[in-house]
Formats: sequence, structure tokens, C-alpha cells
Amino acid sequence: GAVVSQHPSRVICKSGTSVKIECRSLDFQATTMFWYRQFPKKSLMLMATSNEGSKATYEQGVEKDKFLINHASLTLSTLTVTSAHPEDSSFYICSARDIKGLRAEAFFGQGTRLTVV
Amino acid sequence: AQSVTQLGSHVSVSEGALVLLRCNYSSSVPPYLFWYVQYPNQGLQLLLKYTSAATLVKGINGFEAEFKKSETSFHLTKPSAHMSDAAEYFCAVSEEGAQKLVFGQGTRLTINP
Repeated sequence: GAVVSQHPSRVICKSGTSVKIECRSLDFQATTMFWYRQFPKKSLMLMATSNEGSKATYEQGVEKDKFLINHASLTLSTLTVTSAHPEDSSFYICSARDIKGLRAEAFFGQGTRLTVV
Repeated sequence: AQSVTQLGSHVSVSEGALVLLRCNYSSSVPPYLFWYVQYPNQGLQLLLKYTSAATLVKGINGFEAEFKKSETSFHLTKPSAHMSDAAEYFCAVSEEGAQKLVFGQGTRLTINP
């Protein structure tokens, strides 16, 4: 199946700093990528939909200035957690859909464990 | 609006026993339905999907699910559990043509030796 690579897999940062997470589709093009947040023992919460060449669409309650999303190419989307605080600690997962697949499933990255200290 | 309910946050079965994970959905339009598996500190891997073709869908690792419109259900089954099946399982729904997935709360499957 298609491969989505997410980097880094684990990051620890100090409170107040910013962290960038990358999501790459390695063998297909994705006009749309999705960013999810998963709390411990909880389901995935969609944060935003990342559209190549345009602004991301954020879900209600997600601060767009806090979670900056850039989708500069058909194979790369980045999520930047700005001025991170301990409450931002979580597991972040991206997914992407192949633009050639009309009914293709979403392929998920491996996830990034963010710990803010 | 679409929603998914997974009955039972934790299911425990013996190795070799039947696995049954329940999923009910709510959708005002014909849904696409998915089951994903997540291992600790990993992303999600697709087990199977229903996209309005055959109602009985076979997936990877011996899993299958049956779409029952009258019951708005899409339960996941496996005849004989294996230790390697221990993981978190998520049911998800999307609208035809839409790309956004709505996930259920997840069910943690434990396999007893």
C-alpha cells in the first residue's frame, strides 16, 4: 500500500518553543492531508485539513495561530506547534489520500509523540 | 452529521476464540466505512473498508466485517484470535466523495493465552 512518512516520531521540547512535524507521501501525490491529535487512550480528533497551495481548514476549537499548517507541495505537509505548552503534549498523526484514487482510503503516518516540558 | 459508536472500550478474548468488535454508525447519506488497527505508538493501518459494493468485506490478517444497513452496523470479526491481534481498533465513517473521516472511540483488544 501507499506510504506516508511522519517525522520526527518522538520529540521533547521546552515550554515556549516551537516544534515542526513533517508529513510526507512517499509514493503518491496528495492534494489533501489531514492532521489528527490523539490523547492517551482516546480516539483521533481531526484538527485540520491541509490543502496543497491553499489555507488549511481548521476544525472548531482548534487554534490556527497555535497549530500552523503548511502544505507547500503535493507530497509534503507540515504542522508547527507554536509556543508549545505542556498541555500540547500529545500524539499527532497525519494522513493523506492519493489523488488518483477516487475512493481511496486514507494512509496514515506513524505518528509523532510530542512531550513539552 | 456523521458519527460512530464502538460498543465496548475494551474486549478480551482467549487465543483461538472468536473476535467480535462492534461498530454502529449514523449517517444521512450512504456511508463509506472503515476499520483501522493501531499498535502502541504507531499510526493507523487499514484493515478493511466498505464502499457500497459487497456487504461482506474481507480484510487483512483474517478480519472481515459485514455492513448491515437495517442495523446501521459494521461489526468486525475474526474466527480465531491470535496473540498478535492485540491492539487498538478504530471504526470510521466518511461520506461518499468526502475525505474527512469520523472515528469511533476505539476498542482495545486483549488476547489471553
